[in-house]
Amino acid sequence: GEDVEQSLFLSVREGDSSVINCTYTDSSSTYLYWYKQEPGAGLQLLTYIFSNMDMKQDQRLTVLLNKKDKHLSLRIADTQTGDSAIYFCAESVTGGGNKLTFGTGTQLKVEL
Amino acid sequence: GAVVSQHPSRVICKSGTSVKIECRSLDFQATTMFWYRQFPKQSLMLMATSNEGSKATYEQGVEKDKFLINHASLTLSTLTVTSAHPEDSSFYICSARGGGIYYGYTFGSGTRLTVV
Repeated sequence: GEDVEQSLFLSVREGDSSVINCTYTDSSSTYLYWYKQEPGAGLQLLTYIFSNMDMKQDQRLTVLLNKKDKHLSLRIADTQTGDSAIYFCAESVTGGGNKLTFGTGTQLKVEL
Repeated sequence: GAVVSQHPSRVICKSGTSVKIECRSLDFQATTMFWYRQFPKQSLMLMATSNEGSKATYEQGVEKDKFLINHASLTLSTLTVTSAHPEDSSFYICSARGGGIYYGYTFGSGTRLTVV
């Protein structure tokens, strides 16, 4: 079955790095995604990683995937106040009907 | 890039009436559309998956007669909440998936439904 967990809350100071963690249970994941949701808005795709990759970097964002431990993380370098939002990880699985299963979401608060 | 337009962004309706929410893919053909419901401070819950020209597949526990989904064209899907009640108040988000370079999931901006 699919079960995706995240810690609920993370607070960092502006300029520091943020690391948001995600664990999943379905080993047949094909792609894993990170989305950002600001209040009252839809989801913005930040980045994604294919399940045969270990790491992907895109500007300030670094995604690490430990497939053995079924652990995914998103590192945001030089975190800014505009990064304050809820971050969701999500997985799509082989044979899952192209559905995305979302994590519980992590509220990131960036303080001055 | 891929854009999905969702309307209305906010709607207030009286109990017992029906509300239609539209989701359009503006620059790509969406072979599959997904409808989600999100309660405050919670994750997205998938309600149904629809493929163009065929009936929607509903998730367990979602009433298909209450949440009518139509995916009549490759660019438009609608969700109609029939006989709405206050417990249907929620944030509804659509997502579209195309082919080729648009193979990823693109989300609409969401609709805040309040039933009074």
